[in-house]
Amino acid sequence: DTGVSQNPRHKITKRGQNVTFRCDPISEHNRLYWYRQTLGQGPEFLTYFQNEAQLEKSRLLSDRFSAERPKGSFSTLEIQRTEQGDSAMYLCASSPTGTPSDEQFFGPGTRLTVL
Amino acid sequence: DAKTTQPPSMDCAEGRAANLPCNHSTISGNEYVYWYRQIHSQGPQYIIHGLKNNETNEMASLIITEDRKSSTLILPHATLRDTAVYYCIVRVATNAGKSTFGDGTTLTVKP
Repeated sequence: DTGVSQNPRHKITKRGQNVTFRCDPISEHNRLYWYRQTLGQGPEFLTYFQNEAQLEKSRLLSDRFSAERPKGSFSTLEIQRTEQGDSAMYLCASSPTGTPSDEQFFGPGTRLTVL
Repeated sequence: DAKTTQPPSMDCAEGRAANLPCNHSTISGNEYVYWYRQIHSQGPQYIIHGLKNNETNEMASLIITEDRKSSTLILPHATLRDTAVYYCIVRVATNAGKSTFGDGTTLTVKP
């Protein structure tokens, strides 16, 4: 098992374009999380899935953002009509079935730059 | 989730113990204390967690005060590779989901 992987690692796009990121969690981890991190700040929670069900969404997740996890394995995060304020590192994490002690394993992130 | 307060930065000499404090005065009875760290340009990495008792693993020790309003992460013999941002997170025990990260403490280990 190679841990959580994210693709692409870097994405540069022009304002107004749509982008999609992919996250492959650790196999058999049924919880998957998306976070956003801007420079100098800690990660901010966006949303999380248990299997294919999206259980919670942050207010940060505007209508332009959508996340899916269709088969309970990999997940995609799409941003439509990107804005310069969307420039950030997008982090994915996974964890096994929620228990009081479950730790989240983070991927390396996708750095988005909107020009 | 309860809010945490950490100093923005700390220095530590290589080979010495690094003691990173965290205040979580509004912690409730079913909330755990977690510590993560983030080395530059990488995703956060889990270090340790605890509820009431002190905990130790191969990476660090976690000391939680008796009233649970504060905790200290101890790296017993800091190395240059321990230079990172350290996040203290308090999270409910049931339906563990999102983690609320603050701005963390930037630890710089100096030779």
